[in-house]
This record gives sequence, structure tokens and C-alpha cells, in this order.
Amino acid sequence: DTEVTQTPKHLVMGMTNKKSLKCEQHMGHRAMYWYKQKAKKPPELMFVYSYEKLSINESVPSRFSPECPNSSLLNLHLHALQPEDSALYLCASSQDPVAYNQPQHFGDGTRLSIL
Amino acid sequence: AQSVTQLDSQVPVFEEAPVELRCNYSSSVSVYLFWYVQYPNQGLQLLLKYLSGSTLVESINGFEAEFNKSQTSFHLRKPSVHISDTAEYFCAVRVQGGKLIFGQGTELSVKP
Repeated sequence: DTEVTQTPKHLVMGMTNKKSLKCEQHMGHRAMYWYKQKAKKPPELMFVYSYEKLSINESVPSRFSPECPNSSLLNLHLHALQPEDSALYLCASSQDPVAYNQPQHFGDGTRLSIL
Repeated sequence: AQSVTQLDSQVPVFEEAPVELRCNYSSSVSVYLFWYVQYPNQGLQLLLKYLSGSTLVESINGFEAEFNKSQTSFHLRKPSVHISDTAEYFCAVRVQGGKLIFGQGTELSVKP
């Protein structure tokens, strides 16, 4: 069982819809991450939150808007997405944002389909 | 810049045979290396990690990886694979800022 919980597991939305992906961890980790993964490809980093502040934005389009309400929760707000945004969205967390030796723990992801 | 290369995109193997999944990295600083496994329709699970100390690291399900600094490699091995090992395997290196740099992945397919 994963210690990082993502909801929903599947999401189908139209290009004009607004939806949110949610991620929760109760391991006391202070860094949280959003990744996008296309089929047969490695995950691509989108955002990093360090101590609840956005520390890295990998030039992600503004139609993706991250939010970190507290140290346990991470949201990804979606608006006006494109068909090419269909992918598996993975959330991860790690104990210390700057400690190189801390592994990242991943959730099972939300599979997003844009109609 | 640091990078990770997984030399084989697909590795088909028969059940109970040995397997090696190859991973090479490039880095000019100390490295922290990881192997993750992704089963179908799931997220990534940490398989094992090299941080320091012994160059041979083991996982609980029979996989092991050896850190070789001179060859800049971190190959993953298992002496006898099971059908349940069928999955995508990613090698990764942790870099400054907390990023993980992933290889392109190796699809391990175990056949009966």
C-alpha cells in the first residue's frame, strides 16, 4: 500500500472544464512534487513544494495551477486543458527538500483523459 | 549536467532465468542513485537505493544493484525472476534542488 494517496484515480474532462487533483501524505514529509507521465516514458517533473512554498516550476503552462494548503496536502487545479495533457499525474513526497539522500515516495497517480 | 542512461528499452526473459537491467549515470559530484519499479496501472515504488557505504545494495524481493564508480554504472540484477517481476524499471539520480533525473526506463517482460 502506498503512503501517498491520490484522488481521483481516473478523471475524464472536457477542454472547458475545471477540475482538481488531490494528493495527501501523513509521513511528515516537507517536500511534495507533481509529475506528469506519458505512456512508456519516465515521469517529468512539473512542480516542487518545499516547506509549503513553491520552489520549482518547470515552465509548466498556466492551465496547471498547484496549491499546497498545508504540509500534508497538495492540489493541482486544472483549467482549459488540451488533449495532449492526457497522461498519468503522479504526486510524490520526500522527507527533506534539499537532502540528496532522501528518496521520493510516489502515489499511484491520477489517470487523466481530456476529451 | 547529470544524466541517466538505461541501455535496454525492453528485456524479455523466461521465468527463473537471471536478469540484468543496465544503468549508467554521468555526474561530477557525489551521487545518490535509485531504482524504481512501476507495475501496470500503478505509481512508482522504490526498489533500492545507493547513498554511501557498501557498493552492493539489496532489496527485500531478491533484486540487487552494484554501484561501480569507475564504470559510472548502477546495474540491477536478479538471479531468478518470476512472472510477477514483469514491470517497468526506472533508474534515477538525485540532483541539486531535490530533482530526480530518470532514465528512459526498461520494460522487463517475464515469460513462462
